[in-house]
Amino acid sequence: GNSVTQMEGPVTLSEEAFLTINCTYTATGYPSLFWYVQYPGEGLQLLLKATKADDKGSNKGFEATYRKETTSFHLEKGSVQVSDSAVYFCALRRNAGGTSYGKLTFGQGTILTVHP
Amino acid sequence: GAGVSQSPRYKVAKRGQDVALRCDPISGHVSLFWYQQALGQGPEFLTYFQNEAQLDKSGLPSDRFFAERPEGSVSTLKIQRTQQEDSAVYLCASSLSRPIAAANTGELFFGEGSRLTVL
Repeated sequence: GNSVTQMEGPVTLSEEAFLTINCTYTATGYPSLFWYVQYPGEGLQLLLKATKADDKGSNKGFEATYRKETTSFHLEKGSVQVSDSAVYFCALRRNAGGTSYGKLTFGQGTILTVHP
Repeated sequence: GAGVSQSPRYKVAKRGQDVALRCDPISGHVSLFWYQQALGQGPEFLTYFQNEAQLDKSGLPSDRFFAERPEGSVSTLKIQRTQQEDSAVYLCASSLSRPIAAANTGELFFGEGSRLTVL
C-alpha cells in the first residue's frame, strides 16, 4: 500500500536558519506529492505540490523536488521566519484513473518552531 | 461561506453517546472527504463522496461510523456508541472537480476540523 514517512520532530530553529524536513514515500505507480501546512488554530492548507518526477514545487520561499530515484520529497527553506511556525505534513495522492479518485495519504506531521 | 465549514468545533461526549459532525463544503464542490486525525498523527482517510454517492468507505473503522451526503452538498459524519478511541479531530475536505484525468491534482480545501473528546 501507499505510505509516507516524515522526519520526526519537533524541529526548533532560530530565525533565518535553513530548514529541511525529510519525507520519503512508498507507492505504486507515479503519485503526486504534496506538502500541507497547519498553522495554529487553522485548517490544513496546501503549501506546494509536484505531479511528476523531477518537478519542483515552490511557494512562500519553500521548495521541494520530486525525486523518484530516492522516493523522496524533502521540504526546504533557506531562511525561516517566526511566522513559519506550524505543523507540516507530507502527502501523496495516487493519480486518478479507473476507479481511483485520488485520496491523500499523509505522513505523521512535523512540528516546526522558529524563535526570534 | 468562503471556505469549508465544520461544526461543532469542539464536542465532548460521554462513552456510549452518539455524536453527529457536520461539514459544509465550498459551494459547488463535487468531491468531499472525511479524515480522522489522532493526536500527534497525520490525517487518516475515512470516506469519500462524489456528489451524493459514497464511493469509498473503506477507512471507516467500524460499523459505528456512518456518513451521508444526501443532497450532494452538506455531509454528516455520525458516530454511534462512542468509545474513548474515537477521540480525535475529524477533518472534512472538498474539491471542485472529480478526478477524470491521470494527473488530476485538484486542490483539496480543508475545514478547521471538529475535535471530539470521549470521556
